[in-house]
Amino acid sequence: AQSVTQPDIHITVSEGASLELRCNYSYGATPYLFWYVQSPGQGLQLLLKYFSGDTLVQGIKGFEAEFKRSQSSFNLRKPSVHWSDAAEYFCAVGAWAGGGADGLTFGKGTHLIIQP
Amino acid sequence: ETGVTQTPRHLVMGMTNKKSLKCEQHLGHNAMYWYKQSAKKPLELMFVYNFKEQTENNSVPSRFSPECPNSSHLFLHLHTLQPEDSALYLCASSQIDTQYFGPGTRLTVL
Repeated sequence: AQSVTQPDIHITVSEGASLELRCNYSYGATPYLFWYVQSPGQGLQLLLKYFSGDTLVQGIKGFEAEFKRSQSSFNLRKPSVHWSDAAEYFCAVGAWAGGGADGLTFGKGTHLIIQP
Repeated sequence: ETGVTQTPRHLVMGMTNKKSLKCEQHLGHNAMYWYKQSAKKPLELMFVYNFKEQTENNSVPSRFSPECPNSSHLFLHLHTLQPEDSALYLCASSQIDTQYFGPGTRLTVL
């Protein structure tokens, strides 16, 4: 069974500083990996995804993530955070074969706090 | 992504009530999903519908009953719920691989 681990429950970063959120996954085949962000009282917004190809993927809002198969990781990064980045961040893994629908397995999330 | 809507946004119900959550997607997707988000727990997949057919039921208690009349609409019928069912219920849709989520319904069971 697939699983996702986000080891940091809370992270506090100063505005303008760089950010890295960790994600490790467990899956027997090639995973489909996602990062979502959730603001209070809102649903989940897709930041970026990795299916294949270039292991460094760019997303919205200046975020990027790097897939490292050898480490089973898909860490999210941003070079300079803004106060509006304060939110809950979720890493997820999915398994599709040829386009069939399947559910996602999520990590527990990392709560990002931005200090002025 | 604003293509998935959910109503109501907030719901308070007693344990003996019957209520329904509604999800509608305006994206032309073929698959729809219900997830449960409880405090301090990962999002839990509840149900998957693909082309209106239920393809996954993730060991959800029978007091939750899904309905998918067409590819654009998904319902979650609730009856005799327990206080531990209080959570944010999220709906999502996808065409092939990427799921887009609605804003959720915050459910409180008294």
